[in-house]
Amino acid sequence: GAGVSQTPSNKVTEKGKYVELRCDPISGHTALYWYRQSLGQGPEFLIYFQGTGAADDSGLPNDRFFAVRPEGSVSTLKIQRTERGDSAVYLCASSSGQSNEQFFGPGTRLTVL
Amino acid sequence: GENVEQHPSTLSVQEGDSAVIKCTYSDSASNYFPWYKQELGKRPQLIIDIRSNVGEKKDQRIAVTLNKTAKHFSLHITETQPEDSAVYFCAASISSVNRDDKIIFGKGTRLHILP
Repeated sequence: GAGVSQTPSNKVTEKGKYVELRCDPISGHTALYWYRQSLGQGPEFLIYFQGTGAADDSGLPNDRFFAVRPEGSVSTLKIQRTERGDSAVYLCASSSGQSNEQFFGPGTRLTVL
Repeated sequence: GENVEQHPSTLSVQEGDSAVIKCTYSDSASNYFPWYKQELGKRPQLIIDIRSNVGEKKDQRIAVTLNKTAKHFSLHITETQPEDSAVYFCAASISSVNRDDKIIFGKGTRLHILP
């Protein structure tokens, strides 16, 4: 079956603009995670959904970052007033709740000019 | 919160030799320890994981050991091959069989297999 997909694969934006990044998890996976990976670093946790609700948003760096998962499937990560420091690869992962394994998407490379 | 330290940051080994990557974690409640492999420009992929109720797990050329008392865990790759070249991440999580949770990653080890 299809794995986790993310769109767009690349996003270039200007400082101060608003961006939305989309994640389609594996069908039936109840848990969905957003991570951010900067060059040469490990993925950094941002937020985690169990169903429609955010179970843990402790990794969101500030109130410019927000994520939703209104129907318990697709999720959108929203970044307001982007800054150059937001440039990174944003990874989404999902898990079934039965094995703990998280399956990652290909990521969205965000570049803020 | 949980913190995962990983070393070395870079490791070069001759093809056919063994490679060892070591990690420590801070939160004694962590009970799930996955290892991910990430090739250049690709997504992280799980290669092996271990739970806190076992001390060692092996899958072909890959093995992981866990010392809960010392809060250490390690990845061992034997008979290394060129396709093992990648970045490896250790991670820790507080997860149960029926409940997933966030994963805290180490900074990664870039493994080079020399011909």
